[in-house]
Amino acid sequence: QQQVKQSPQSLIVQKGGISIINCAYENTAFDYFPWYQQFPGKGPALLIAIRPDVSEKKEGRFTISFNKSAKQFSLHIMDSQPGDSATYFCAASKPGGGADGLTFGKGTHLIIQP
Amino acid sequence: DTGVSQNPRHKITKRGQNVTFRCDPISEHNRLYWYRQTLGQGPEFLTYFQNEAQLEKSRLLSDRFSAERPKGSFSTLEIQRTEQGDSAMYLCASSLQGARNSPLHFGNGTRLTVT
Repeated sequence: QQQVKQSPQSLIVQKGGISIINCAYENTAFDYFPWYQQFPGKGPALLIAIRPDVSEKKEGRFTISFNKSAKQFSLHIMDSQPGDSATYFCAASKPGGGADGLTFGKGTHLIIQP
Repeated sequence: DTGVSQNPRHKITKRGQNVTFRCDPISEHNRLYWYRQTLGQGPEFLTYFQNEAQLEKSRLLSDRFSAERPKGSFSTLEIQRTEQGDSAMYLCASSLQGARNSPLHFGNGTRLTVT
């Protein structure tokens, strides 16, 4: 059972455009939603995270939008740059989930065209 | 470089052989995690340690897998009698607290190919 569904699988955006990656979850016990960025040959790195007490969190060009009723959250990358080309993973966890219960989506391969 | 270090970066082995990977976490981090990542998938949790204690193992961790963190510092992951289905990237991560309160810092992984 896939608890976190991520889309699209791949995405091509022109430089300067907005990249949008979506995730949906099923378990209403999830209460922590991080996004990780992974470059080829590297491990994932935490990009930004949100808890459901807020509907939006912004850090620089990266914004998470969270819709608790729809059980969806998304990552927006404003003014996308070629250096943003990477694979992005959403994740979710719940309290008491053991190992912090991090469940990852399948990832989105983002390409920013110059 | 004070990040998470994993060795080797690549390992090619024949089916049936045993392999061992090493992870050196960030020194002050007391939590250490092992994940597995296959092509086109996100990382999947295998097991984690709080200091030297192994607190949880995923159902993905068959009896052929064993992990240790003998002194609460570095960790090893051993796979016995490797199978082709074990081919994957094995990622180690560490954190100061749980991942819900502090970031997981991942290493660059060990890519295992079983022929």
